Amino acid sequence: DGGITQSPKYLFRKEGQNVTLSCEQNLNHDAMYWYRQDPGQGLRLIYYSQIVNDFQKGDIAEGYSVSREKKESFPLTVTSAQKNPTAFYLCASSIQGPYGYTFGSGTRLTVV
Amino acid sequence: KQEVTQIPAALSVPEGENLVLNCSFTDSAIYNLQWFRQDPGKGLTSLLLIQSSQREQTSGRLNASLDKSSGRSTLYIAASQPGDSATYLCAVPSGNTPLVFGKGTRLSVIA
Repeated sequence: DGGITQSPKYLFRKEGQNVTLSCEQNLNHDAMYWYRQDPGQGLRLIYYSQIVNDFQKGDIAEGYSVSREKKESFPLTVTSAQKNPTAFYLCASSIQGPYGYTFGSGTRLTVV
Repeated sequence: KQEVTQIPAALSVPEGENLVLNCSFTDSAIYNLQWFRQDPGKGLTSLLLIQSSQREQTSGRLNASLDKSSGRSTLYIAASQPGDSATYLCAVPSGNTPLVFGKGTRLSVIA
């Protein structure tokens, strides 16, 4: 079945470490997105990519980095510059145009 | 900048009741609106996608309407069940940028 796979489901990060969250899709979607969800805050956009080898910053890109070397993959790195990384991270994909988004099951990142 | 507001923030109803969730957005130049469901600790499941040219969309006991000119959408849930308990999110694209989300309505259906 086609879908989006996020891994790992849970991730623990020590202070000062970089960690990378994986997002893979087999839907042949052109665009991919990363959102962060905090309690009571709703979803906020971190980065998005509409085509391979190109990506744009969202509303809260500081302290994060991404790459889009393959159409199927859009990994997110949470760097040590992100001071409050504890959150639920959601990846999504869509076809270009007025079409709906498909979401992965999320990664919960906790700083220890 | 697009802003999306959902009212109420939380709702508790007895099983069997019909209910309405509200979503409003500030920029009416949208090309669609999407309603999602989120269970605790899980990802988002798409419920309904309404294109800007449509007035409403139905799926089973769910009906979503869109009034683009007034910047409003409603999600109607008929004959609610305990399994409907979840957070419901609406989202709209803002120009050429990705979906902007409301903070959601947390629904509890009591058996």
